[in-house]
Amino acid sequence: ETGVTQTPRHLVMGMTNKKSLKCEQHLGHNAMYWYKQSAKKPLELMFVYSLEERVENNSVPSRFSPECPNSSHLFLHLHTLQPEDSALYLCASSQVVGDTEAFFGQGTRLTVV
Amino acid sequence: TQLLEQSPQFLSIQEGENLTVYCNSSSVFSSLQWYRQEPGEGPVLLVTVVTGGEVKKLKRLTFQFGDARKDSSLHITAAQPGDTGLYLCAGVTNSGYALNFGKGTSLLVTP
Repeated sequence: ETGVTQTPRHLVMGMTNKKSLKCEQHLGHNAMYWYKQSAKKPLELMFVYSLEERVENNSVPSRFSPECPNSSHLFLHLHTLQPEDSALYLCASSQVVGDTEAFFGQGTRLTVV
Repeated sequence: TQLLEQSPQFLSIQEGENLTVYCNSSSVFSSLQWYRQEPGEGPVLLVTVVTGGEVKKLKRLTFQFGDARKDSSLHITAAQPGDTGLYLCAGVTNSGYALNFGKGTSLLVTP
């Protein structure tokens, strides 16, 4: 596989569930990102990782917990979410942090019921 | 406060028409990027503009960076249904850690 792969593509979860989103990049990049895309809102940056170290947490509620075990993998652990958290969650990677060319995965469409 | 303002928000045109979409900011950017996102996919980079006043052409797409490096435009000539998508402008945040995006212009080109 090439590029940035996200799983699952679709997820429906209840407010009391715990689930995880997975992202894998095969580009040899050092930086990985989580973005949230909601209707009528711009892409919102959530977290930034550089070589497995979190360098930015953009005031994201603690019910979202990122994990970066190595530079190729990024997870977003979800627990006790709210219906307003329903959105498209996009993972991206770039050669280095702050690079202007980011490569995005196809996203996970999350619905919280 | 939205760092990058895009207009129009929605645009529906017929095949063969020309169009221009805009990206404006009160901040100066060292560069601006244009991405295109198709339904069910992540955004894909189209172009980066770096120099104030720069014009870049990609086939029927023309990108311009304002002289003051605060704004950019995208002009599409003779639009085709395959141009349908969400056009996003982006610039690296002040922290320098990641891209900051506008809300995008949703373009629909009908045959």
